[in-house]
Amino acid sequence: AQSVSQHNHHVILSEAASLELGCNYSYGGTVNLFWYVQYPGQHLQLLLKYFSGDPLVKGIKGFEAEFIKSKFSFNLRKPSVQWSDTAEYFCAANNNAGNMLTFGGGTRLMVKP
Amino acid sequence: EAGVTQSPTHLIKTRGQQATLRCSPISGHTSVYWYQQALGLGLQFLLWYDEGEERNRGNFPPRFSGRQFPNYSSELNVNALELEDSALYLCASSLALRRGNEQFFGPGTRLTVL
Repeated sequence: AQSVSQHNHHVILSEAASLELGCNYSYGGTVNLFWYVQYPGQHLQLLLKYFSGDPLVKGIKGFEAEFIKSKFSFNLRKPSVQWSDTAEYFCAANNNAGNMLTFGGGTRLMVKP
Repeated sequence: EAGVTQSPTHLIKTRGQQATLRCSPISGHTSVYWYQQALGLGLQFLLWYDEGEERNRGNFPPRFSGRQFPNYSSELNVNALELEDSALYLCASSLALRRGNEQFFGPGTRLTVL
């Protein structure tokens, strides 16, 4: 069965700390991977995506993620978080063009000023 | 460019009633997806429409149904509402089938079943 799992449900960091959120997937065939963010009171929006090429993907707002095929992982990183990064982060995957997304359970990040 | 819009923002129904939720995709997008975000259950895929046809549905009972209109807008119908149907229902749209296309999400409709 297709699945996406996120290891951390809640993360609390101080500003300027480094961030790494774990994501593992279980998918047959070719996989597309995404990180979405949901800021308080706002829509889900795309941070970054991977579907081929360089496994290190850079997204908006200084976020990056690395696709490690051997580990079935797509962890999200940011070297120095800001208070404005407080949000819920979702890892997602699909395996066909245009197909529905399977989401991880989400990670709530709180950044203390 | 206008984003994905959904209506209503909030909907309150009683058990056994029917609910209709509406979604307008981004102009030019032909695929519409519906997801349920229930407390404690995360985001779960409900339905996918493309070019007016249902392409796939998630693990939900048949009382969850929908359709896509010729202008690519969509509606989600939930019949015989149950308390556990209370959730945020998100609609997303994307361009025609192409690998790597992201899905753009709307603000959601908060359905409360009393």
